[in-house]
Amino acid sequence: AQKVTQAQTEISVVEKEDVTLDCVYETRDTTYYLFWYKQPPSGELVFLIRRNSFDEQNEISGRYSWNFQKSTSSFNFTITASQVVDSAVYFCALSGPNNNAGNMLTFGGGTRLMVKP
Amino acid sequence: NAGVTQTPKFQVLKTGQSMTLQCAQDMNHEYMSWYRQDPGMGLRLIHYSVGAGITDQGEVPNGYNVSRSTTEDFPLRLLSAAPSQTSVYFCASSFRANSPLHFGNGTRLTVT
Repeated sequence: AQKVTQAQTEISVVEKEDVTLDCVYETRDTTYYLFWYKQPPSGELVFLIRRNSFDEQNEISGRYSWNFQKSTSSFNFTITASQVVDSAVYFCALSGPNNNAGNMLTFGGGTRLMVKP
Repeated sequence: NAGVTQTPKFQVLKTGQSMTLQCAQDMNHEYMSWYRQDPGMGLRLIHYSVGAGITDQGEVPNGYNVSRSTTEDFPLRLLSAAPSQTSVYFCASSFRANSPLHFGNGTRLTVT
């Protein structure tokens, strides 16, 4: 069975600090996909990134970066110079051919990030 | 494009009542799914569909029914509401397997 663990339930930082959100996953698949979603206080779910299991290159998008390491089954998300608008719940998710659910996503429990001014 | 539209946004039910949460998408996506979000548990898959006429159970299907008569619509039915079904429900669609999900804005359901 697939599993995603986000051990940090809540993180609080002061604006302009860097912050890393951890994501550890378990899967028996050799081909799988990892995702990050953001849920701001307004409640909608916003897609941030998708990475497949064959692409271990780190990704950078503005202040956001993602570090995918198959050796440790981790897909961590770093926000550089955090801003108040980054305050949200962030979800890591996993999909793959053997999750017995049409490749639907398995989500972690989420990390609530609070950025204080 | 409206994307994924869920109605209603809020609903209060009494134990034993039934209701249908509506979900429609206008992106011609084959894959649709329902998740429930509970504090500390992330989102858990209730039911999903990989095309019109095809549905299957997810992780937490008990107490819920779905049908997919058209590509656009994927309603979720609560047969006899229970307090344990108090949650926020999200409908999602995607173009194909492993594509990013497009989510509706959610339905906050309270069962008393």
